[in-house]
Amino acid sequence: KAGVTQTPRYLIKTRGQQVTLSCSPISGHRSVSWYQQTPGQGLQFLFEYFSETQRNKGNFPGRFSGRQFSNSRSEMNVSTLELGDSALYLCASSLEGWDQPQHFGDGTRLSIL
Amino acid sequence: AQSVAQPEDQVNVAEGNPLTVKCTYSVSGNPYLFWYVQYPNRGLQFLLKYITGDNLVKGSYGFEAEFNKSQTSFHLKKPSALVSDSALYFCAVRHLNTGGFKTIFGAGTRLFVKA
Repeated sequence: KAGVTQTPRYLIKTRGQQVTLSCSPISGHRSVSWYQQTPGQGLQFLFEYFSETQRNKGNFPGRFSGRQFSNSRSEMNVSTLELGDSALYLCASSLEGWDQPQHFGDGTRLSIL
Repeated sequence: AQSVAQPEDQVNVAEGNPLTVKCTYSVSGNPYLFWYVQYPNRGLQFLLKYITGDNLVKGSYGFEAEFNKSQTSFHLKKPSALVSDSALYFCAVRHLNTGGFKTIFGAGTRLFVKA
């Protein structure tokens, strides 16, 4: 069974630009969550989608948005990029059920110049 | 505020010795508890979870964890460490709040196993 696939793996952008990151979950997983990982802040929850609906949201500004498609694939968009947005962005999928573990992709490393 | 604490930034052990990576939490209700491991340039991998039942849970790669409700702790353990266990370990707590279930991760503990 294929794991969670995130594309691209690496991305370099400049301040003010926008970026879209993609996540393909494990087949059969309808829950997709996004996290931002930085050395200083650790893992921060961005949002969770289930069946195309945002089910939960973290404390990030409105520049961070996401969506989920009918095939459970998800995208995350960040507009008006800032230097502080440089991070590893991780996507995780899981089966339905709050006791289910999350399965993570290898992330997209975003660098803002 | 809901929180997860991993009090040690780094744990150093010799190969063959037992290891413990500590985790305590402060959340309301009965949370679900998880441990994940992260290797360089990779995402997190699930190790084990506690939902209910026996306080000692066993997981992947010989790891186990002990749930202690009175101390609100969920420490990760392994009887005999391997060099290949060197990685970054995260404790996670999933709990119910007003917006639904949320997962909080600890800051992570870096484990170094010396040969």
